[in-house]
Amino acid sequence: KAGVTQTPRYLIKTRGQQVTLSCSPISGHRSVSWYQQTPGQGLQFLFEYFSETQRNKGNFPGRFSGRQFSNSRSEMNVSTLELGDSALYLCASSRQLMNTEAFFGQGTRLTVV
Amino acid sequence: GQQVMQIPQYQHVQEGEDFTTYCNSSTTLSNIQWYKQRPGGHPVFLIQLVKSGEVKKQKRLTFQFGEAKKNSSLHITATQTTDVGTYFCAGHDQGGSEKLVFGKGTKLTVNP
Repeated sequence: KAGVTQTPRYLIKTRGQQVTLSCSPISGHRSVSWYQQTPGQGLQFLFEYFSETQRNKGNFPGRFSGRQFSNSRSEMNVSTLELGDSALYLCASSRQLMNTEAFFGQGTRLTVV
Repeated sequence: GQQVMQIPQYQHVQEGEDFTTYCNSSTTLSNIQWYKQRPGGHPVFLIQLVKSGEVKKQKRLTFQFGEAKKNSSLHITATQTTDVGTYFCAGHDQGGSEKLVFGKGTKLTVNP
């Protein structure tokens, strides 16, 4: 079956702009989580959605937001981009909220200039 | 909040040497998961442990979950160049938090 699909793969944006990233989970998976990965900081949890509801949120400013649609696809939005937002954004889907493996997409590499 | 720490941050070994990475949580975990991320790739699930003291093996990889369910280790016997990558542990807090919290990972390089 198809894996987790993230689009776009690469993005270059200017400081102050906003960006929307998309994630299509594995069919049948209802949980989608987003992570920010930067060198030396590992995987920082952004938020998690399950059945269109945000279940958990990490310690990121309100400029970071997300949503999940009825087909489990998810989007995350970052407004007023800052240079420090440059990172690899990873989406992971799983069948349940806990105790199941997470399947990661290839990620979106965002560069803010 | 829950924190998961991993040591070492980096490990360089000669091919054939053993490798171990350690994971420690500030809180008791309901499970521990291990992922591997190859250079330029994305994290890939390796295994999940849920029982206190559990030990699981996958060929040359041995995973252990501590008795107190607050620590874990991944041991690789006789490393190969294909083992190169960053190994992450991650866990759910036993208190019921649904967040999967990741350690910062151990980056393994193997010299042939």
